[in-house]
Amino acid sequence: QKEVEQDPGPLSVPEGAIVSLNCTYSNSAFQYFMWYRQYSRKGPELLMYTYSSGNKEDGRFTAQVDKSSKYISLFIRDSQPSDSATYLCAMSETSGSRLTFGEGTQLTVNP
Amino acid sequence: NAGVTQTPKFRILKIGQSMTLQCTQDMNHNYMYWYRQDPGMGLKLIYYSVGAGITDKGEVPNGYNVSRSTTEDFPLRLELAAPSQTSVYFCASSYRRTGSTDTQYFGPGTRLTVL
Repeated sequence: QKEVEQDPGPLSVPEGAIVSLNCTYSNSAFQYFMWYRQYSRKGPELLMYTYSSGNKEDGRFTAQVDKSSKYISLFIRDSQPSDSATYLCAMSETSGSRLTFGEGTQLTVNP
Repeated sequence: NAGVTQTPKFRILKIGQSMTLQCTQDMNHNYMYWYRQDPGMGLKLIYYSVGAGITDKGEVPNGYNVSRSTTEDFPLRLELAAPSQTSVYFCASSYRRTGSTDTQYFGPGTRLTVL
């Protein structure tokens, strides 16, 4: 069993839709949770960062962490074609420890 | 700032050949990393470095070597290329200090095919 599970998609939505991307994990020691966005043929870039449980909002993006269920989500409101990318979740036990990545979900937002 | 740069962008190797993937960062970051990304497998850490002269193994180090003689450069060496090393390789860097989060900045990647 993988330590972090992420549905690879592909996920295709119309412009303006609300997108929900999710990851589950098995390691209860994970405390730091991140979402990276990776455009085609580019390196990943950090999109959102959350510590422990709760919500964090940044513009059209909201990250949620439910440690009791070992489940994290990224919501994208009013999705745009420019949001088309692969979204990777990543998590670690401490702020300085190794990141464990999900395999990424490929998202396409159609105009 | 150029950020993290990687060369080459693409490379095709024959089995048994060797090569070095170059990585340079100009952000004065102390930590540097090498990852490989395979379809359906996410990013796997190969090696990392906490500063010049100090390196350590990651999750999948076999078949690779690294060195870090300067803060800026962190080359990855493949000595005897094998088809299993066909992948996209990403270098990343971050500035870690006590109590801070580890925001890693990635390079554009090197696509390597071993035939």
